[in-house]
Amino acid sequence: EAQVTQNPRYLITVTGKKLTVTCSQNMNHEYMSWYRQDPGLGLRQIYYSMNVEVTDKGDVPEGYKVSRKEKRNFPLILESPSPNQTSLYFCASSPRTSGLELFFGEGSRLTVL
Amino acid sequence: SQQGEEDPQALSIQEGENATMNCSYKTSINNLQWYRQNSGRGLVHLILIRSNEREKHSGRLRVTLDTSKKSSSLLITASRAADTASYFCATERGTALIFGKGTTLSVSS
Repeated sequence: EAQVTQNPRYLITVTGKKLTVTCSQNMNHEYMSWYRQDPGLGLRQIYYSMNVEVTDKGDVPEGYKVSRKEKRNFPLILESPSPNQTSLYFCASSPRTSGLELFFGEGSRLTVL
Repeated sequence: SQQGEEDPQALSIQEGENATMNCSYKTSINNLQWYRQNSGRGLVHLILIRSNEREKHSGRLRVTLDTSKKSSSLLITASRAADTASYFCATERGTALIFGKGTTLSVSS
């Protein structure tokens, strides 16, 4: 089944404790992206990647890192999480790098205390 | 920054009725897309309409695009309870899809 898989789906952590949210897609897509969704603010792009070893900042990259060592994986790293990073996170991929059509994961709900 | 803005923010209808939601955007586009999100779940792509198209259909969905007014509408005909979800329009800005804040549709039986 074609899908984007995120883990963990739910996580409660404390300020400053490094964490990684994994994302993997099995559709051989070139393009991958991370969004966060917050009430009243909608979906905002954090980082995106056009291909292996090619990543770039979205609208809200502060406090996050990403890597794209393999085509299928695009982990989101929070080196020192803070409460303002409490959010619902989505990974998405697209078969094209223009004319994007995004396939989303099920989301990862992160709470930072 | 938001490119598209949906209207209304919330819509409540009865099963069998039609639901119409609108999207306005600010800059010129190559295409516009609509996505659905069931509560707390990932977004699902519904339909893409290109800038040279005026109307597009997919099952019970009908999307229109008016580039002169920079607006699009999504019509869901004969709504079902399973259509209860949030609906988002999205446009491309460079290498990103920018989403509006969505219309929350509630269909009661």
